[in-house]
Amino acid sequence: GAGVSQTPSNKVTEKGKYVELRCDPISGHTALYWYRQSLGQGPEFLIYFQGTGAADDSGLPNDRFFAVRPEGSVSTLKIQRTERGDSAVYLCASSPQTGNTQYFGPGTRLTVL
Amino acid sequence: RKEVEQDPGPFNVPEGATVAFNCTYSNSASQSFFWYRQDCRKEPKLLMSVYSSGNEDGRFTAQLNRASQYISLLIRDSKLSDSATYLCVVMNNAGNMLTFGGGTRLMVKP
Repeated sequence: GAGVSQTPSNKVTEKGKYVELRCDPISGHTALYWYRQSLGQGPEFLIYFQGTGAADDSGLPNDRFFAVRPEGSVSTLKIQRTERGDSAVYLCASSPQTGNTQYFGPGTRLTVL
Repeated sequence: RKEVEQDPGPFNVPEGATVAFNCTYSNSASQSFFWYRQDCRKEPKLLMSVYSSGNEDGRFTAQLNRASQYISLLIRDSKLSDSATYLCVVMNNAGNMLTFGGGTRLMVKP
């Protein structure tokens, strides 16, 4: 079946701009996760949704980062006033329920110039 | 100290070799452990879960030592296609967060 999809695959933006990154989880998966992976490092947790609500946003680095999942399926990660340090691969994962295996999407490579 | 630590490598081995990776974790209360594989510019994919009794999947064997907070992955009869980064992963007890090590890079040469 279809896996997790993410769009765009690549995004280049200028410092100070606003960006939105989209994640389509595997159909029927109630849990959705966002991670960020910088070059040469492992992914780092950002936020977790169970259904429509952000159940744990402890990994968001600051208030420029925000994510939504209004209908309990597609999620959007929003970054305001982007900085060069935000450049990374943003990975989305989903699982049937919390605690199950997490399946990752291909990621969005964000470059802030 | 990082929550999950791995030797970054790279480990350069010939085809057919046996190679072992180690990982340590800091939270003694952790209950769930995994190895993920990540190819260059691709997403992480689950390789195998790690159980207290140790588990094997073909050429791959994972071991957990709770007393030492240590996880290992053994790959026997290495193939060229095993070349990748291997990520040691710990799940929090709530089941909603994976903490990744920095990864160990393996390069299998002909």
